[in-house]
Amino acid sequence: QVQLVESGGGLVKPGGSLRLSCAVSGFTFSDYYMSWIRQAPGKGLEWVSYISSSSSYTNYADSVKGRFTISRDNAKNSLYLQMNSLRAEDTAVYYCARDRGNWDSDWDYWGQGTLVTVSS
Amino acid sequence: EIVLTQSPGTLSLSPGERATLSCRASQSVSSSYLAWYQQKPGQAPRLLIYDASRRATGIPDRFSGSGSGTDFTLTISRLEPEDFAVYYCQQYGSSPRTFGQGTKVEIK
Repeated sequence: QVQLVESGGGLVKPGGSLRLSCAVSGFTFSDYYMSWIRQAPGKGLEWVSYISSSSSYTNYADSVKGRFTISRDNAKNSLYLQMNSLRAEDTAVYYCARDRGNWDSDWDYWGQGTLVTVSS
Repeated sequence: EIVLTQSPGTLSLSPGERATLSCRASQSVSSSYLAWYQQKPGQAPRLLIYDASRRATGIPDRFSGSGSGTDFTLTISRLEPEDFAVYYCQQYGSSPRTFGQGTKVEIK
């Protein structure tokens, strides 16, 4: 069955960096666009970034542009999010999710999420 | 950016009752590219409806979606105990993809 498992979350100081990973199984990873979506504690959902199946295209929310970098390794069935210059407002559960279609789409499978806390 | 406004914020109903959730967009959502998700506490969102009215794999037929343009509705025909949760709409007709703020369906 389809599984997405995030890791790499934790407590980091403002200005610090963190790299999230998402290990995928149960489908042909290299066929799908993938995204990161986050949810601040007690708040709603916010799309963060997506990457095309071959890594040719990436896109970012304005709130993270220039600070976050999405990448993938199709040989390892893994998705990544490098987060730099972290701010308190980046505190959230970060989900990786599979785009159901190419380009802008909805998400049909989600991981369980990993919590990132930015605090001094 | 398209802003999605969901109403009501909270819906208090009993099992067996019908739930009607609304999602209104600040501008027309092209091609009815609108989805609905269910989220329970401590869990990831689950896709229920895509393309405004198509049920995702494995979703019971008591869930239905309708609408076009700027007004969309999620209907749960008869609430089961497991349906009490928060529901989000999401548009993917234009970038960036955006979510509504959510509607909580709680047990009355």
